[in-house]
Amino acid sequence: ELKVEQNPLFLSMQEGKNYTIYCNYSTTSDRLYWYRQDPGKSLESLFVLLSNGAVKQEGRLMASLDTKARLSTLHITAAVHDLSATYFCAATNTGNQFYFGTGTSLTVIP
Amino acid sequence: EAGVAQSPRYKIIEKRQSVAFWCNPISGHATLYWYQQILGQGPKLLIQFQNNGVVDDSQLPKDRFSAERLKGVDSTLKIQPAKLEDSAVYLCASSSLRFTYEQYFGPGTRLTVT
Repeated sequence: ELKVEQNPLFLSMQEGKNYTIYCNYSTTSDRLYWYRQDPGKSLESLFVLLSNGAVKQEGRLMASLDTKARLSTLHITAAVHDLSATYFCAATNTGNQFYFGTGTSLTVIP
Repeated sequence: EAGVAQSPRYKIIEKRQSVAFWCNPISGHATLYWYQQILGQGPKLLIQFQNNGVVDDSQLPKDRFSAERLKGVDSTLKIQPAKLEDSAVYLCASSSLRFTYEQYFGPGTRLTVT
């Protein structure tokens, strides 16, 4: 079974600072997904990374994928309060089953 | 484009009772997923359908959980009998068979078992 680990689990950061969330997975996966979840809400798709070296950016968030290291990162630039949420990564196996990490709860402090 | 619909949004039942959840995926999406999300954890896949066939149900507790997807569109997930540890949010997601297989999630059903 594909195992997905995220760290940190909790992240408290000041507005304007930069930080990175890490996502490691245990076996080969060619696709990596990032989602955002606000309290009491469902999951919103942020990024789909489809190949080694893929990099995608949207606003203050940038995601990258290194399939050889089995590592994806979500980089936050100049954090703002609106980014406070829980972020999940998910990797897929060859059968397109999605395996989610435990999530990173991000709190941006003014 | 309408999103994934789920009902009910909330349900409170006593242990040993039964409950059913309904999901209507995005039109044209061949793949439908049911997830269980326990508070503070990531979603755990329970069952995956492609059209009306089961692709994976390895993590579905089959002694009490069942799911079906009739005609390859709507799906229902049933729990009978419910246990306290079934308290969770049940999420339905759908995806097309396009290259990205990107999932779109419904709002979820929050189940409380007392």
